[in-house]
Amino acid sequence: AQSVTQLGSHVSVSEGALVLLRCNYSSSVPPYLFWYVQYPNQGLQLLLKYTSAATLVKGINGFEAEFKKSETSFHLTKPSAHMSDAAEYFCAVSVAGAGNQFYFGTGTSLTVIP
Amino acid sequence: GAGVSQSPSNKVTEKGKDVELRCDPISGHTALYWYRQRLGQGLEFLIYFQGNSAPDKSGLPSDRFSAERTGESVSTLTIQRTQQEDSAVYLCASSLTGGGNEKLFFGSGTQLSVL
Repeated sequence: AQSVTQLGSHVSVSEGALVLLRCNYSSSVPPYLFWYVQYPNQGLQLLLKYTSAATLVKGINGFEAEFKKSETSFHLTKPSAHMSDAAEYFCAVSVAGAGNQFYFGTGTSLTVIP
Repeated sequence: GAGVSQSPSNKVTEKGKDVELRCDPISGHTALYWYRQRLGQGLEFLIYFQGNSAPDKSGLPSDRFSAERTGESVSTLTIQRTQQEDSAVYLCASSLTGGGNEKLFFGSGTQLSVL
């Protein structure tokens, strides 16, 4: 079975500081990994995804994530936080072969302090 | 349409009443998902439609929940005899073919409040 753990339900960073949102997964087979972002009053939208190509994945708005199989992690980072990054971030895992098998974490709320 | 559309955006109902939530997926997307998001929790899978295949209903929490989809278009999620624990945001998503590596396109959700 697959599962996702997001450490830290709330993260606060200062504007211009590094953003690090943690995601660990559990999967018995090679996974696909995703980060979605939900801005206030909007639907979830894809930030980036890992589908077994390069382990360092670059997404929109300057975010990137690195797939580390040995650590079963897919942490999301951004070198310099912007006020507009304040949102809820969800990590998700899926496996090949069945489209319904998307497992989402509980989310991390990011606050950016001016 | 340009994106996934859900209606209503908010629904307040009394315990015991039935509610119907609607989802219009992106045109051409064969896969459609319903998720439930309770306050402070992750997205909980409810049901999955893919083309003309039998839907995967494995996530429906009880027989009070049902969903239909007409072809590859509109879907409705029905909750009968609503309970307070049904209060949540109900999210609909669609994708092109339902592959596990595909991007999901989400609607803005329906906030359901059961009094």
